[in-house]
Amino acid sequence: AQSVSQHNHHVILSEAASLELGCNYSYGGTVNLFWYVQYPGQHLQLLLKYFSGDPLVKGIKGFEAEFIKSKFSFNLRKPSVQWSDTAEYFCAVNQGYSTLTFGKGTMLLVSP
Amino acid sequence: DTGVSQDPRHKITKRGQNVTFRCDPISEHNRLYWYRQTLGQGPEFLTYFQNEAQLEKSRLLSDRFSAERPKGSFSTLEIQRTEQGDSAMYLCASTLGGELFFGEGSRLTVL
Repeated sequence: AQSVSQHNHHVILSEAASLELGCNYSYGGTVNLFWYVQYPGQHLQLLLKYFSGDPLVKGIKGFEAEFIKSKFSFNLRKPSVQWSDTAEYFCAVNQGYSTLTFGKGTMLLVSP
Repeated sequence: DTGVSQDPRHKITKRGQNVTFRCDPISEHNRLYWYRQTLGQGPEFLTYFQNEAQLEKSRLLSDRFSAERPKGSFSTLEIQRTEQGDSAMYLCASTLGGELFFGEGSRLTVL
């Protein structure tokens, strides 16, 4: 079955530390890749997306992600996190217009 | 606010009661999705509509669940004879294609 795996369920970092959240998927063929963020008490918001082209995608708030097709991965990165990045992060994948499948999420806590 | 809106935001009900949630998508979006999210899990797909047609339903959507989207505008999700296992956040999202725009969700607690 098609699935999305996020390696870390909880991550704790200090401000200014670098962040990398792993995401792997099990789909074959062409995929669309997304990272969504859910800040405390807020709705899911899109951080960035990849459909095609440059595999290094830049999103909002200094986040970026790299699509590595050979590794079926789409890891999220940020060079220097802030306290305001405390949130839950979800990787999601679909193919064409198929329904979006989400990973279980990674809860990021950034301590000031 | 021109985003996706959901109502009610919170619902507490007793086991066996029926509940209904409403979703108003972004007006020009023709696709509408319902997802369920429980603690420690990502959103899980329930069903989706293109305009008024319900095109796909997940195995998670038991026969106690029904969704409608009359006239291709707002949508309702009804749960009949609620069970404690139905306690979750029910999320609605809409799109024209590509990115999903989510509402803030309707949290259901079944006692």
